[in-house]
Amino acid sequence: DGGITQSPKYLFRKEGQNVTLSCEQNLNHDAMYWYRQDPGQGLRLIYYSQIVNDFQKGDIAEGYSVSREKKESFPLTVTSAQKNPTAFYLCASSKNRAGTEAFFGQGTRLTVV
Amino acid sequence: GENVEQHPSTLSVQEGDSAVIKCTYSDSASNYFPWYKQELGKGPQLIIDIRSNVGEKKDQRIAVTLNKTAKHFSLHITETQPEDSAVYFCAGAWGNTGNQFYFGTGTSLTVIP
Repeated sequence: DGGITQSPKYLFRKEGQNVTLSCEQNLNHDAMYWYRQDPGQGLRLIYYSQIVNDFQKGDIAEGYSVSREKKESFPLTVTSAQKNPTAFYLCASSKNRAGTEAFFGQGTRLTVV
Repeated sequence: GENVEQHPSTLSVQEGDSAVIKCTYSDSASNYFPWYKQELGKGPQLIIDIRSNVGEKKDQRIAVTLNKTAKHFSLHITETQPEDSAVYFCAGAWGNTGNQFYFGTGTSLTVIP
């Protein structure tokens, strides 16, 4: 089955620790995205990548880092510099062409304990 | 950058009635407008989309209308059913290369049996 997979589904982090969220897609999409979702708010863009080895900051990149070493993978690291990391994180991918839909993973719920 | 506003934030309807969700956008360069449905604890899924060269699109009980002059687009769900209960997001996207998505803040729809 083609799709986009996020893991783990639930993640707990102690304060001061870095943690990495996984996102893998087998849709052969060039573009990949990370969004953060908080209750009652929309999807806010953290980082996006249009091609391997290149990525750009979104609206709320502070405290996060990404890499894009392979087309299929776009991991997100939540660093200790992120002051309020508890949230639902969504990864998405799309063709690198205007007017094409984004496909979302099932999300990772990160909780700081 | 683009700004997408979505109203209402919550909507309750009786089963069988219609539901309408409205969005406005600011950037006239936006040319693609998808609508996503998100069920609790899951990632958003595309339910319908429309491109800027089309004024209306329909898929069974779901329709979307676009008014480019006024920069607004709407989602219409007819004959609502309890399984339509979810959070719905509108988005605007643009880009001559690549695909930049800007999401509304979501509408929580409850269909009362």
